[in-house]
Amino acid sequence: AQSVSQHNHHVILSEAASLELGCNYSYGGTVNLFWYVQYPGQHLQLLLKYFSGDPLVKGIKGFEAEFIKSKFSFNLRKPSVQWSDTAEYFCAVNLYSSASKIIFGSGTRLSIRP
Amino acid sequence: DGGITQSPKYLFRKEGQNVTLSCEQNLNHDAMYWYRQDPGQGLRLIYYSQIVNDFQKGDIAEGYSVSREKKESFPLTVTSAQKNPTAFYLCASGPYGQGSTGELFFGEGSRLTVL
Repeated sequence: AQSVSQHNHHVILSEAASLELGCNYSYGGTVNLFWYVQYPGQHLQLLLKYFSGDPLVKGIKGFEAEFIKSKFSFNLRKPSVQWSDTAEYFCAVNLYSSASKIIFGSGTRLSIRP
Repeated sequence: DGGITQSPKYLFRKEGQNVTLSCEQNLNHDAMYWYRQDPGQGLRLIYYSQIVNDFQKGDIAEGYSVSREKKESFPLTVTSAQKNPTAFYLCASGPYGQGSTGELFFGEGSRLTVL
C-alpha cells in the first residue's frame, strides 16, 4: 500500500538553527509532493509543492525542499528557523495513478526555543 | 470570500448515534476530501470525491459514509459502526483534472466527541 513516512515526530530547535525534516514515500509511479503547515490554532496551509522540473523547490517563509527520486524522499529545509516557525508540518503525496488520492504523513511537530 | 466552511465546529454525540458533518466550498473545485486527524497519526483519508455523484473510499472508510449530490457540498456521516469516532475531522477541496497539481485547501475542522 502507498504510504508517506515522517520519521521525526517532534523536533526541538533553538532560534537560528538549521532545520531538516524528513519525508519518504512508498510508491513507484509519478507523484506530486507537498509540504503543508499547521500553525497553532490555524488551519492547514500549503508551504510548498513539487510537480515537475527543478527538484529543488522554494516555498513561503524561506522554506525549501528537495525531491530525490532515487531515494523516494522530499525533505524540508530551512537554513535559520524563527520562533514563529513553531507548528506542525505534514508531508503529502498525490498519486498520479489515482489523480485525486492524496495521502499524508503522520506529521512533525516543530518547537522553537526563543 | 472564497473558501471551505465546515460545521459544526464542535459536536458531541452519544454512543450509538449517527452524526453528519457538513462541508461546503465555493472555490469551484471538482475534488473534495475528508480526513481524520488524530495526535501522532497525521491525516488519514476517509473518503474523496473527484466529481459529483462519485466518490471513493480512502484508507479508513469503515464506519463512515458520504454523498456528493452537489459540486459544492460533501457531507460526512459518522455512523454508529465507527468504533472510535472521537476525532478532529478535516474537509478539503482541490482542482482535479489535467494540469491539476493536487494542491488542497482546507476547512477549519470539526471536532467530534462521543460521550
